[in-house]
Amino acid sequence: GAGVSQSPSNKVTEKGKDVELRCDPISGHTALYWYRQSLGQGLEFLIYFQGNSAPDKSGLPSDRFSAERTGGSVSTLTIQRTQQEDSAVYLCASSPLRFLTGVGELFFGEGSRLTVL
Amino acid sequence: DAKTTQPPSMDCAEGRAANLPCNHSTISGNEYVYWYRQIHSQGPQYIIHGLKNNETNEMASLIITEDRKSSTLILPHATLRDTAVYYCIVSVNDYKLSFGAGTTVTVRA
Repeated sequence: GAGVSQSPSNKVTEKGKDVELRCDPISGHTALYWYRQSLGQGLEFLIYFQGNSAPDKSGLPSDRFSAERTGGSVSTLTIQRTQQEDSAVYLCASSPLRFLTGVGELFFGEGSRLTVL
Repeated sequence: DAKTTQPPSMDCAEGRAANLPCNHSTISGNEYVYWYRQIHSQGPQYIIHGLKNNETNEMASLIITEDRKSSTLILPHATLRDTAVYYCIVSVNDYKLSFGAGTTVTVRA
């Protein structure tokens, strides 16, 4: 498709299990972002990948969270030993190479809704 | 990044202009003003951004005051599909965007 694709759209897991969430960005976009949105809350920045540069992981809430981006395209967000407070919608976004201003438009996917029982 | 203040909700009549205010009194000189919206159960959608000058695109207009301490997003002819949460964000970087509670806009027929 033409947009950012995320899977699964819904995931229910038991506390303590590991989960993987996948993001397929728009073809040609060099930047990829992960955000999460808890129920009724705004979006919280998690991690940012730009080309071959080291990712900005400053938003990851704990060491149970990790993300990788293989081949500069698909990204996987992994949550180990899930807790109930991890329940949220995890949103992925991508953007093209920014211009001189370094400012661009983020294109968001529909999100993966994670429920930890 | 500077904080923003938006009204929690507002109603608008279909076909009329919707004017969404945002205060960002602590904005610094190199921070941009961004507007995104989020329709229920969807990911956020970029609307417009600006630094100092007013901006217009096919979706909306952005009016930034001369002192840059506030801005207004204008949807010229609101439709029912414009019902959404609208986020005003100020940021130096466009990836560490801090989405607050936003303004819930309800367009009524």
